[in-house]
Amino acid sequence: QKEVEQDPGPLSVPEGAIVSLNCTYSNSAFQYFMWYRQYSRKGPELLMYTYSSGNKEDGRFTAQVDKSSKYISLFIRDSQPSDSATYLCAMKRGGANSKLTFGKGITLSVRP
Amino acid sequence: DSGVTQTPKHLITATGQRVTLRCSPRSGDLSVYWYQQSLDQGLQFLIQYYNGEERAKGNILERFSAQQFPDLHSELNLSSLELGDSALYFCASSSLVVGLAGSNEQFFGPGTRLTVL
Repeated sequence: QKEVEQDPGPLSVPEGAIVSLNCTYSNSAFQYFMWYRQYSRKGPELLMYTYSSGNKEDGRFTAQVDKSSKYISLFIRDSQPSDSATYLCAMKRGGANSKLTFGKGITLSVRP
Repeated sequence: DSGVTQTPKHLITATGQRVTLRCSPRSGDLSVYWYQQSLDQGLQFLIQYYNGEERAKGNILERFSAQQFPDLHSELNLSSLELGDSALYFCASSSLVVGLAGSNEQFFGPGTRLTVL
């Protein structure tokens, strides 16, 4: 079993839809949870960053972490064609030497 | 623009060859990470350096090595290349100030696309 599992996709939605992206993980030591967005032929860019359980909202994006269920989600409201990209969840333990463990990513396409 | 630079953008080489990928971290970042991204494996952590010293190792093959120089730039050396080494190689950097929320963010460069023929 991989440490981080992400819904494989791809996912295609109409403009304006609410998008829900999810990851599950098996390592209870993970404390920091992130969502990266990667446009085609570009490097991943940090979208959302959450420490421990709870919700975090930033504009149209909401990140949720449920450590008891080992489950994280990213919600995108009023999705736009510019949101079309690959979304990767990532997580890490605490500490200076902690590496990021990524999900495989899901490709989202928002149709105009 | 993340502030992390990587060269070259593309690299095409033959099996058995050796290549060097270069990364310059964001100004002030002491920590550099290398990742490999392939379609079947996703984004995999290879190795981390902090201020010139190796700090953590991931799924890095023995044919691969890295170093971080006094000016903090880093190089990833890939030798005896195989077809399966074809992938995107990303470098990321962070300030690694432990204890501050949000301080462990890693900023990724644009990547080097390696094609082994």
